[in-house]
Amino acid sequence: GQQLNQSPQSMFIQEGEDVSMNCTSSSIFNTWLWYKQEPGEGPVLLIALYKAGELTSNGRLTAQFGITRKDSFLNISASIPSDVGIYFCAGRSYPGAGSYQLTFGKGTKLSVIP
Amino acid sequence: DVKVTQSSRYLVKRTGEKVFLECVQDMDHENMFWYRQDPGLGLRLIYFSYDVKMKEKGDIPEGYSVSREKKERFSLILESASTNQTSMYLCASSPRGNQPQHFGDGTRLSIL
Repeated sequence: GQQLNQSPQSMFIQEGEDVSMNCTSSSIFNTWLWYKQEPGEGPVLLIALYKAGELTSNGRLTAQFGITRKDSFLNISASIPSDVGIYFCAGRSYPGAGSYQLTFGKGTKLSVIP
Repeated sequence: DVKVTQSSRYLVKRTGEKVFLECVQDMDHENMFWYRQDPGLGLRLIYFSYDVKMKEKGDIPEGYSVSREKKERFSLILESASTNQTSMYLCASSPRGNQPQHFGDGTRLSIL
């Protein structure tokens, strides 16, 4: 099946630093999604990307849909303590077989040191 | 805002019990999903449904069944709970088409 490699697995950064994480796929996706999950909560949608090359921002967060359609990047600028959590990427090949389903990365655990 | 509500945040059951996890969404979404989340394994799809009374197996359906009698409600059933089903269970929903899934807050289930 489809596989998503998300990196890094975890990061410790100083408050105020910028953060980058990425996902790469073994196959082409038509949609990339980025979620954040805080301890004890469900994932919350941050950004949705639908076109190759698309660059979308949500406050201090910026995500890009890679030109090859096999990767996506999430950047967080000027990190703050409430950015702590696990960030997941998810991709979908749509339309197509199993097009309702998402393939998830294993997450990047972000820790911010005040 | 989309609201996906899972009936319990925490649940403790015994081995062999029949366990019901309930999920309700208020956005008239066609698609609903059940995942389990385990450390190091990420989110794994158990079952999903794209319409009332319709269900499809995900990646790990063994030991589980589902029920969707009404559009807004999707139930996950552990027929005979086992300790290896101790996990965080997440429900999600999405409208038809290429739209994101929205998640509930999860049910942390412990099987003793």
